[in-house]
Formats: sequence, C-alpha cells, structure tokens
Amino acid sequence: DAGVTQSPTHLIKTRGQQVTLRCSPKSGHDTVSWYQQALGQGPQFIFQYYEEEERQRGNFPDRFSGHQFPNYSSELNVNALLLGDSALYLCASRQIGKGNYGYTFGSGTRLTVV
Amino acid sequence: GEDVEQSLFLSVREGDSSVINCTYTDSSSTYLYWYKQEPGAGLQLLTYIFSNMDMKQDQRLTVLLNKKDKHLSLRIADTQTGDSAIYFCAEDDNNNDMRFGAGTRLTVKP
Repeated sequence: DAGVTQSPTHLIKTRGQQVTLRCSPKSGHDTVSWYQQALGQGPQFIFQYYEEEERQRGNFPDRFSGHQFPNYSSELNVNALLLGDSALYLCASRQIGKGNYGYTFGSGTRLTVV
Repeated sequence: GEDVEQSLFLSVREGDSSVINCTYTDSSSTYLYWYKQEPGAGLQLLTYIFSNMDMKQDQRLTVLLNKKDKHLSLRIADTQTGDSAIYFCAEDDNNNDMRFGAGTRLTVKP
C-alpha cells in the first residue's frame, strides 16, 4: 500500500524561476499539508488543503501557493525563487477529523536554488 | 515568536538508555509528538501523548510530560545502532497543524 508520494525527489532551479512540487496522499486520506525543512532545522508549516481549498496557512509569503485536486493530490508552487528557498519540502496527508497524529509524511523533494 | 527547543546532539553507547528532552511553548496543545527522521527520509511518527497524560509507554519508548514546566522527554531503552537518527519534538499549534523543534541528532556508538 503506497504511502505519500512526492515528485520530483530532487530539483535544481535558478534564482527568480518558478517551481511546482507534487504530492499524492496516502490512500484514504483527504487532507494535505506542506512543510519546509531548511538544513539543520525542523519542518515549518506552509499550508494545509482540504476539499480543494486552503484551510490554514503558516507564516510564508504569497510567493508560496498551492492547489488540491479532486483526487486529493496536491501541488506546491513557489514563484520568484530565492536562495533561501533551498530546503526539503515535505508533504503530509491524513484524514480530516483525525488529529495530527494521523499524518503520514512523504520522503520530500530536495529543492536547491542557485 | 517562541520556539520549541531541543538540545542538538546526543551520543550514547549501544545498550544504554537515551533521553531526549524538549521544551514546548503552547500550554493549550492537545497532543505532543515525537518524530524520527533518518537520512534521506521523511518523518516517521514514533509516539504521541495526550496533554492530560503524564506518561506513555510503548515498547522501548517512554514519554514523560510535565505540563507545569512545558517539558517533554523521550526515553529509548536498550538503544541500538538502528536508533541513530534525528528526533523531533512537535506540538499542536493554533493553526491546528504542528510546530516542530530543530531536532536532536542521536548517535549510537557500538
């Protein structure tokens, strides 16, 4: 049974470019959250999607946007990339109504901005 | 803003107990969590504790919670080399998502 799948696994982009990261949630899960994990740091919450809408958002600029599709998969878009956007981006999914203990995390997309 | 705080490094001998400590920020957090991250991998939930509990034991893992001091600890009994990883403490935040510490890198020496 596949867990959370993220693609691509690694990505190198140039400053100023735009990037799209993708996430397929675990089967049966309908809620997707995205986290940014800078090197040597813990994950920081970006936003959460449920029913194709952004429900919650962390302290990230509008350059970070997302989308959730009818099949519950999700995308994270980052515009006008900065060097500081280099990080591991983690997607996590759970069922709505379950607490955060219900999250399953993907292995992440490592984004390097040069 | 306030941070969830953890010591950055811990080194133990195989077979010893490991204790990883965490100070969290929000006394209204419903749950507190311990996650494990191995190199190149995502986060794996190890255990969690409801905020009205003082202790939870799950096989080799023991979680202690001191709400008064906002202190959470994770004890790993009989630590093995396979336990070498980064361990994150996390709390529920006001967004109904989670706030993580910076992680404690556990090294287990044979």
